[in-house]
Amino acid sequence: DSGVTQTPKHLITATGQRVTLRCSPRSGDLSVYWYQQSLDQGLQFLIQYYNGEERAKGNILERFSAQQFPDLHSELNLSSLELGDSALYFCASSLGPYSNQPQHFGDGTRLSIL
Amino acid sequence: GENVEQHPSTLSVQEGDSAVIKCTYSDSASNYFPWYKQELGKRPQLIIDIRSNVGEKKDQRIAVTLNKTAKHFSLHITETQPEDSAVYFCAARGGGNQGGKLIFGQGTELSVKP
Repeated sequence: DSGVTQTPKHLITATGQRVTLRCSPRSGDLSVYWYQQSLDQGLQFLIQYYNGEERAKGNILERFSAQQFPDLHSELNLSSLELGDSALYFCASSLGPYSNQPQHFGDGTRLSIL
Repeated sequence: GENVEQHPSTLSVQEGDSAVIKCTYSDSASNYFPWYKQELGKRPQLIIDIRSNVGEKKDQRIAVTLNKTAKHFSLHITETQPEDSAVYFCAARGGGNQGGKLIFGQGTELSVKP
């Protein structure tokens, strides 16, 4: 158990819909990262929040957005879903703002778009 | 842009043999290099990491080496066991003011045959 909690574990929805994925970091960690894992793209960094503020951004689509709340949990919102958004979405957390500190991954949310 | 190349994509060894996975990164400002092991359907698990001020690090049967000049780093697993079978990912922290962004290699599927 990494201490990073993600809900839900599985999500099945249709094209055009909107979903919210939730992540609670390990106790004491202030940074939350979101990654997308698909078969053809591997593990892709989406976005990082540190203590409530956006810290780094990857190739995150405009249809996707995220935030980190005062209690440090984070939500990733995916809208106008397309078939290609089907993937595993992982959240990771680390102590500080930089990744020369270990990042620990949650169990992921498997998103299936029908 | 930033890139991490990982080779080989698949690796099959006999139990007890050694396995070596190699990665090359493009951003000379990268300063942190973790390795993750991912079993089928599970989360990536951090197995070892190395910072740019160190050339080699060992943890029991696992070692990582870093050549900053050549921008290469490698994972070495000795005395492989069937439970080492998994997909292994290398990663590099993006340089500069990029927070904790990790750039991942495409993964190596390691199969250890009993």
